[in-house]
Parts: sequence; C-alpha cells; structure tokens
Amino acid sequence: QKEVEQDPGPLSVPEGAIVSLNCTYSNSAFQYFMWYRQYSRKGPELLMYTYSSGNKEDGRFTAQVDKSSKYISLFIRDSQPSDSATYLCAMNNQAGTALIFGKGTTLSVSS
Amino acid sequence: DSGVTQTPKHLITATGQRVTLRCSPRSGDLSVYWYQQSLDQGLQFLIQYYNGEERAKGNILERFSAQQFPDLHSELNLSSLELGDSALYFCASTKVVGASYGYTFGSGTRLTVV
Repeated sequence: QKEVEQDPGPLSVPEGAIVSLNCTYSNSAFQYFMWYRQYSRKGPELLMYTYSSGNKEDGRFTAQVDKSSKYISLFIRDSQPSDSATYLCAMNNQAGTALIFGKGTTLSVSS
Repeated sequence: DSGVTQTPKHLITATGQRVTLRCSPRSGDLSVYWYQQSLDQGLQFLIQYYNGEERAKGNILERFSAQQFPDLHSELNLSSLELGDSALYFCASTKVVGASYGYTFGSGTRLTVV
C-alpha cells in the first residue's frame, strides 16, 4: 500500500461547478497537509497548507483534513477554466524532512 | 517566477551518458530537495541538502548523486543513463530543514534519454 493514494482522474467539469479532490494516507504520524497545483510543463505551486485536522478556506478553495479517517480533501467552488491543472496532495510528519506526494488528479474545467 | 532556478530546461541524451542538472534555490533558502516526476510514479523524493550537508535520502539510485555548494546552489548528477530515467526532475527549496511549511519548486528539467 502506498503511503498516499490519490485518484488520478481525469476529472472534467463545467465552469461554475464545485470540485472535490481527495487523498487518503496510511501514516498516522502525518501532521502537515498541503495541496499543490501544477500546470502543464510547470513546477508545482503551493495552493493550501493545513496543520493537523480541520478546515481552511482561501477564496474559492477549502482544504479539509480528517485525521481519524486519514482523509484529506480540497474543494474548489465556482470552478474556472484557469483551474484546469493537476492537483497534488502532499504531507509529512512533524519530524520529517521530505514531503510525500500523491500522484495527482488532473482537472479540466470547460467553459 | 518562483525564485528557484533550474537549468537546463530540456536535456536530450543517449543511454549510458552522464548529465548534470543545476538548481539555484530561492534567496535565503538553505534547504534544497530533488524530486523525480514520471507519469507512472508521480513525484518521488530523491535527496535533500541543508546548508551544504546531505540531510535525507529517498528513492535515489546509486547511479545518481548530488551535492550542495557553499553558495547553496545544488547539482544532481545522473550517470549510466537508462531509458527509464527519462522524467521531469524538480528542485525545491525551503528556509528550514523540515518541509512543514511547504516547498517552492523550480520549473524543472525535462530529461529525455534516447
């Protein structure tokens, strides 16, 4: 079992839809959870950062962490064509040095 | 521009050859991470350096090596290249040792081995 599992998609939605992206993980020691967005032929860029459990909201983006279920989510409201990208979840533990990434979910938002 | 500079952007080389990928971290960042990204494996951690010293190793092959220089730039050396080494190689940097606050990634080097 991989430490971080993420459905690769692809996921296609119409403009304005609510998008839900998810990851599961197996290491209960993970404390820091992040979402990265990667456009084609570019490096990943940090989108959301959450420590431990709970929700965090930033504009149209909401990140949720449920440590009891070892499950994290990213919600995108009012999705736009510019949101079309690959979304990667990433996490590590407090004492760790390297982020462990999911394989990424490819999202396409059509206008 | 993320502030992390990687060169070259593209590299095409033959099997058995050796290449060097270069990374300049964001100003003030002491820690450098190298990752390999392929379609089937996703982003795989290779190695981390902090202020010139190796701090952690991931799934790095013995044919690969890296170092971080006094000016904090880092180089990833790939030798005896195989077709399967074709991938995107990313460098990322942070100010601190731990990655708890997220990385800043460069734009990557696309390596094609023919």
